[in-house]
Amino acid sequence: QVQLVQSGAEVKRPGASVKVSCKVSGHMLSEESIHWVRQVPGKGLEWLGGLDPEDGKRIYAQKFQGRLTVTDDISSDTAYMELSSLRPEDTAVYYCATTAAAATRGSGFDPWGQGTLVTVST
Amino acid sequence: QSVLTQPASVSGSPGQSITISCTGTSTDIGAYNHVSWYQQHPGKAPRLIIYDVTNRPSGVSNHFSGSKSGNTASLTISGLQPEDEADYYCSSYTSISTLFGTGTKVTVL
Repeated sequence: QVQLVQSGAEVKRPGASVKVSCKVSGHMLSEESIHWVRQVPGKGLEWLGGLDPEDGKRIYAQKFQGRLTVTDDISSDTAYMELSSLRPEDTAVYYCATTAAAATRGSGFDPWGQGTLVTVST
Repeated sequence: QSVLTQPASVSGSPGQSITISCTGTSTDIGAYNHVSWYQQHPGKAPRLIIYDVTNRPSGVSNHFSGSKSGNTASLTISGLQPEDEADYYCSSYTSISTLFGTGTKVTVL
């Protein structure tokens, strides 16, 4: 049973970058396709991007292209999400999740990490 | 970047059935049989309860069911239970993204 454990809360200044980690256990990271989803407090879910298992390429939401980088460290079974040029509206809980099916991201995300609160404030 | 449209809230009494709609377009829900539904309790991560329109992951109660017609998907909760009170989100695959719905708060009266 795969489990995802994320790094702790972060507080950043506007203009800075944040890097959130997602440690995979129970499986190897190379067997998983990790995606990132965020949730502004009190608001809905928003997909950021991840690894598309259909072609093995990174795929990003258009809104975050140029600011978002998703990487994997296979040696430590840890995935990373880095968001740059932070602004106050990036304050949110950031979740990692893996694709429920190995071959496609179309069958949803399961399971999810516990979430990491990123606060952007002066 | 579009968002799928859900009603803001739905309520029902214990034992009743409720249905949550999720409206998209011909390029997302209407184009693929890849609609998922998530349940989220306050302060918790979302949990997948329906995938590929109608399928339930192992361990998910069969009082959750999904369907789709055209550009609209639906989640039905039959025999509403107090623990079903939560937020529910639909999601659709597209060739270049994954979309989420606006979310529906389910209240058990």
